[in-house]
Amino acid sequence: TQLLEQSPQFLSIQEGENLTVYCNSSSVFSSLQWYRQEPGEGPVLLVTVVTGGEVKKLKRLTFQFGDARKDSSLHITAAQPGDTGLYLCAGALGGQNFVFGPGTRLSVLP
Amino acid sequence: DAGVIQSPRHEVTEMGQEVTLRCKPISGHNSLFWYRQTMMRGLELLIYFNNNVPIDDSGMPEDRFSAKMPNASFSTLKIQPSEPRDSAVYFCASSLGVNTGELFFGEGSRLTVL
Repeated sequence: TQLLEQSPQFLSIQEGENLTVYCNSSSVFSSLQWYRQEPGEGPVLLVTVVTGGEVKKLKRLTFQFGDARKDSSLHITAAQPGDTGLYLCAGALGGQNFVFGPGTRLSVLP
Repeated sequence: DAGVIQSPRHEVTEMGQEVTLRCKPISGHNSLFWYRQTMMRGLELLIYFNNNVPIDDSGMPEDRFSAKMPNASFSTLKIQPSEPRDSAVYFCASSLGVNTGELFFGEGSRLTVL
């Protein structure tokens, strides 16, 4: 059983479309991170959210941390082929023990 | 600056052989993590070190796995004896050691055990 669930598991869209992916848990996290991983590489951090209800924007990406700090969403506006990759959320359980979700594999077609 | 460096990038071995994976963290980082990634189980934390001391090894699958960090610039993950179910990509990551700190991942070592 995964501590963090991500949905959808796979997503294939056309360039220019908007999308939202979700990260959910029944556990409360002190912070939550989103990473993007491309084939043959390690994950790269996109954002860290700490406060319940927090919203952060990174160009066309908008991240939100749930009020109860149990869930998060990532919204991408006008997706581009360069956004293709595996999007992973990671929750901090305490100390530096981060648990990762299974990921959402996004494919943006030109 | 160099990122986290892992070696080898790829290893193919036969069941029963010893496998040693190596990691050089980013200079100045206090924490080092070993993760394993598979399609079925995703990214799993195996063990992490703070200031070269193992803090949490509860993710290490069994006694066949061991990890060491003899100094701040080097860590190894050893599997002895290896089994086909150990086939995965093994990632090393380092961080500055703060609770909300960014994990910097290496490019991974892809292990195939035949």
